[in-house]
Parts: sequence; structure tokens; C-alpha cells
Amino acid sequence: AQSVTQLGSHVSVSEGALVLLRCNYSSSVPPYLFWYVQYPNQGLQLLLKYTTGATLVKGINGFEAEFKKSETSFHLTKPSAHMSDAAEYFCAVSDFDSNNDMRFGAGTRLTVKP
Amino acid sequence: EAQVTQNPRYLITVTGKKLTVTCSQNMNHEYMSWYRQDPGLGLRQIYYSMNVEVTDKGDVPEGYKVSRKEKRNFPLILESPSPNQTSLYFCASSLRGTDSNQPQHFGDGTRLSIL
Repeated sequence: AQSVTQLGSHVSVSEGALVLLRCNYSSSVPPYLFWYVQYPNQGLQLLLKYTTGATLVKGINGFEAEFKKSETSFHLTKPSAHMSDAAEYFCAVSDFDSNNDMRFGAGTRLTVKP
Repeated sequence: EAQVTQNPRYLITVTGKKLTVTCSQNMNHEYMSWYRQDPGLGLRQIYYSMNVEVTDKGDVPEGYKVSRKEKRNFPLILESPSPNQTSLYFCASSLRGTDSNQPQHFGDGTRLSIL
């Protein structure tokens, strides 16, 4: 079964600084990878996804992630943090063998300091 | 507007008093699921449904029931709630099951407190 590890339950950056949220996965077959964002008192919203093809995936709000098979990673980045990026971010993995089992990481809470 | 609607958003109740959390989607999605979110554990799947009258257990089904009599609705039932079911619950739907590349659409969550 696949699984996801998010390194760092809390990340704090200054406004304008690079955002890097780490996600490593395990899967015995090619994975589908997702990043979701959760703002306070809201559900999860899809930021971006990787299925096949180009390994650098661009999402909403200036975020992007790169699928690196050799490192089993799918880290989320944004060149310049905004105050509005403060939220909790979840990495998730599924695959065509998953029997409808999408696995989520424990989440990373991003704080943006003025 | 495409959405997943959960009700209630907040509920405080007592041990043993049956409760139902409703979930409805207007996107004609086949697949629906329930998750619970607990600090440090991320989201864990409770039950999912591939289509009408087809449901199956997720990772943490104990103490929960579901039904899928109509495509748009997928209620979560706690027959005899206990304090360890205090959590934040999310309903989600997608066009097909998660063994595809379709993302899930989430409701805004239901915060349950069982005293």
C-alpha cells in the first residue's frame, strides 16, 4: 500500500521568501500525487496534481511541485510567499492499484511572517 | 456552483445519542468518501462509495455506518457515538474512484464533539 510522509509539521517563512514543503511517498506502482491546501474552517482545495507526463507541475496561486521518481519526492514550492498563503497543506498519493485508497500525509502548517 | 455540502457544520452531543451527518454533491460524481481529520494524523478514510448501493470500508470504519441510496447523497451515521469519535469530518466526491487521476472535491467539514 502506498503512503506519504510530510517532513515538518510546521514551517514558518517571511513574506517574500521561498516556500518549500516536503513530501515523500512510497508506492509499488507509478503514483498519482496531489497537493491540497486547507484554509481555516474550510475543506481541502486542490492545488495541483501529477499523473503522467511532465514532472514539473504548476498549480494555482503560484505553487508548483516536481515529481522526482529517483527520490520518491513531490515537494511543493513557491518562489515568494504571501500572507494569504498561510494555511495547512496536505500531500496525497493514490495509484491505479490503490483500490480507491487515497493516502494523505499528516499535513504541514505554513506560517507567513510579515 | 459545483459543491459538496455537509450538515451540520458543528455539533456537540453526548455519548450514545445517534447522529447523522449529511453530505450532498451536485456534480453527478460516482465516487464519494468520508474522512476524519485529527491533529498529527492527517486525513483517514472512514468509508467510501463507488456508486449507488456500493459502499466499502476505509482505514477507520469502526463505529460508523454509511448508505448510498442516491447518487448525490452519502450520509455518515454514528449509531452510538463515543468520545473517541470527536473529530473534524470531511465528505469528498470525485468523478471516479481514487484509483484514477481524478482529484477529490471536499465539503467544508463537520466538527463533532462527543461528550
